Amino acid sequence: DQQVKQNSPSLSVQEGRISILNCDYTNSMFDYFLWYKKYPAEGPTFLISISSIKDKNEDGRFTVFLNKSAKHLSLHIVPSQPGDSAVYFCAASAVGSGATNKLIFGTGTLLAVQP
Amino acid sequence: ETGVTQSPTHLIKTRGQQVTLRCSSQSGHNTVSWYQQALGQGPQFIFQYYREEENGRGNFPPRFSGLQFPNYSSELNVNALELDDSALYLCASSLEENTEAFFGQGTRLTVV
Repeated sequence: DQQVKQNSPSLSVQEGRISILNCDYTNSMFDYFLWYKKYPAEGPTFLISISSIKDKNEDGRFTVFLNKSAKHLSLHIVPSQPGDSAVYFCAASAVGSGATNKLIFGTGTLLAVQP
Repeated sequence: ETGVTQSPTHLIKTRGQQVTLRCSSQSGHNTVSWYQQALGQGPQFIFQYYREEENGRGNFPPRFSGLQFPNYSSELNVNALELDDSALYLCASSLEENTEAFFGQGTRLTVV
């Protein structure tokens, strides 16, 4: 049972344009959402997070949008840069999950930013 | 401030053997979580340790066990290795009540 889904395995975008990565979840108990970026041979690197009391969080070129009614979140990267090319993971956690920081990850989306 | 470090980076073991993976948490972090990432999948939560006690476990059999030491470093032990245990094992540390977990570079385990 995949509670966090990233339905696009890959995405290709031109440098300077917007990248939009999508994530859907099924568990209504999730109340904290995170995006991680992963380069080959490295561990995931935290990018940005959002709590369920917000619908938008912005950090520089990265913005995360949360639509609780649709159980959907998205990561916008503007403008996209070649160095953004990596696998992006969406993750979620729930208060009372039995462990703080127990993250449920999606399967990832490979972003390729073309120069 | 040092980040999360894991050792070894790569390991090859034979089916049926036992393995120990090690993790040093980021300075000041008292919570360590372990994840298994199979090829083409996202990381899957194995368990978490908080102040030397197991604080939550994912859907993994008892042959996956762990320890956390007083300095908050941690070990993941896997007994009776199976071929399907081949994966990238990730350690993440975090502050109590802080949901932003910081990951190490991982240990690539291959079981043959």
